[in-house]
Amino acid sequence: DVKVTQSSRYLVKRTGEKVFLECVQDMDHENMFWYRQDPGLGLRLIYFSYDVKMKEKGDIPEGYSVSREKKERFSLILESASTNQTSMYLCASSSGGLSYEQYFGPGTRLTVT
Amino acid sequence: GQQVMQIPQYQHVQEGEDFTTYCNSSTTLSNIQWYKQRPGGHPVFLIQLVKSGEVKKQKRLTFQFGEAKKNSSLHITATQTTDVGTYFCAGQTGANNLFFGTGTRLTVIP
Repeated sequence: DVKVTQSSRYLVKRTGEKVFLECVQDMDHENMFWYRQDPGLGLRLIYFSYDVKMKEKGDIPEGYSVSREKKERFSLILESASTNQTSMYLCASSSGGLSYEQYFGPGTRLTVT
Repeated sequence: GQQVMQIPQYQHVQEGEDFTTYCNSSTTLSNIQWYKQRPGGHPVFLIQLVKSGEVKKQKRLTFQFGEAKKNSSLHITATQTTDVGTYFCAGQTGANNLFFGTGTRLTVIP
């Protein structure tokens, strides 16, 4: 079975802090994705990567950056966390692009105070 | 930007009743996927529809893709308590564009 893991289930950070969210998948998938999930808004794509060191902006990339140095690991970076970035962050991976089945991690609930 | 609208936002049904959730897009979709998220869980892929007018079934679940590829529905026959969760559609409009609907949260009353 595909396993996607995220470094933390819950995280509390202060406004202005730099935040790293880590995601690791064990199925040798080419593509990895970062979403945020907010009540009433569903899932919104922040960034995705289709290869090592490659990245593409999703629907809401502002305030975020990503890093993909190894195939199995995709990091989401909040350079200077703000309260409006309080959310559930979900990582996913797939064997193809956006038109392929995505496997999601358990999520990280980030609170920025 | 492009959005996929999903209704209803919430649905409460008695166990054994049917349930339907609908997704609509203002532009043509290349494909649509459906996911289920159990309470406290993460989204899990259910199915993908690609062809105009396509209908697929998984036991009590029936998925449809509209003729114009702008809408889709998920219908559950005779709901069970195990069907509880939020159902999301996700429509793709281009190589780099995938938009999730806002989800329909289903509650099944025993």
